[in-house]
Amino acid sequence: DAGVIQSPRHEVTEMGQEVTLRCKPISGHNSLFWYRQTMMRGLELLIYFNNNVPIDDSGMPEDRFSAKMPNASFSTLKIQPSEPRDSAVYFCASSPRTGGSYNEQFFGPGTRLTVL
Amino acid sequence: EDQVTQSPEALRLQEGESSSLNCSYTVSGLRGLFWYRQDPGKGPEFLFTLYSAGEEKEKERLKATLTKKESFLHITAPKPEDSATYLCAVRPGSSNTGKLIFGQGTTLQVKP
Repeated sequence: DAGVIQSPRHEVTEMGQEVTLRCKPISGHNSLFWYRQTMMRGLELLIYFNNNVPIDDSGMPEDRFSAKMPNASFSTLKIQPSEPRDSAVYFCASSPRTGGSYNEQFFGPGTRLTVL
Repeated sequence: EDQVTQSPEALRLQEGESSSLNCSYTVSGLRGLFWYRQDPGKGPEFLFTLYSAGEEKEKERLKATLTKKESFLHITAPKPEDSATYLCAVRPGSSNTGKLIFGQGTTLQVKP
C-alpha cells in the first residue's frame, strides 16, 4: 500500500515568492496533520484536519501560512509570501480515527524547503 | 505547560552494546506516548504506542516501557542498522486532541 505522498520533495525559492506544498494521505485515514521540523525547534505541529475540517491551527506561525483540505485525498500548505526563516522540512502525516479516538500517525517523506 | 524531554541528545554504542534512551514528560493527562524512528532525509517511522504505566511493547531488539513520568526505549544488542534518531511524543489528555508534542530526539550511532 502507498504511504503518505508529498510533493515536491525539494523546493528552492526566493524570498517573497508563494510556495505550495502538497500531500496525499493514506487512503481511509480521516485525520491529516502538517508539521515543520527544524534543528532549533524540532518537530512542531502546524495544523490538523478531521474529515477535511481544520480542527486546530494554533501552530500556524503567521497569517502568511494557510492550509486547505478540499477532499479526503488531498491537502495543501501554502506560504505567501515566503521568508528565509520558513526554511525547514515540512511533513504531512495521516491517521485513522476510530470511535472518536486518535491513533498513531504515519508520516510522509517530507518537503525540504529552502527560501533564499 | 506540556513538555517532552529526551536524553541523551546523542549516543554512540558499539555493536552488541545494550543501552536505554529516556523520554521524560510533563503533560496534563496522557492519552498515549509514541516512539518513532527517523532516518536521515526521511519522515518519522512509527514504532510503538504506550497508554498506561507498566505497559511494555517489543519489536525485534527494541523494547519500550512506560511509567507515570517517563518512558524508556531499551535497545538490546544493537546493530549498525539501528542507527537513527529516535523521537518520543505524547498526546495530552486535557481534551480529545489529535495533537502530538514531540521531544528533540536522541541520535543513536551504532558502530560495527
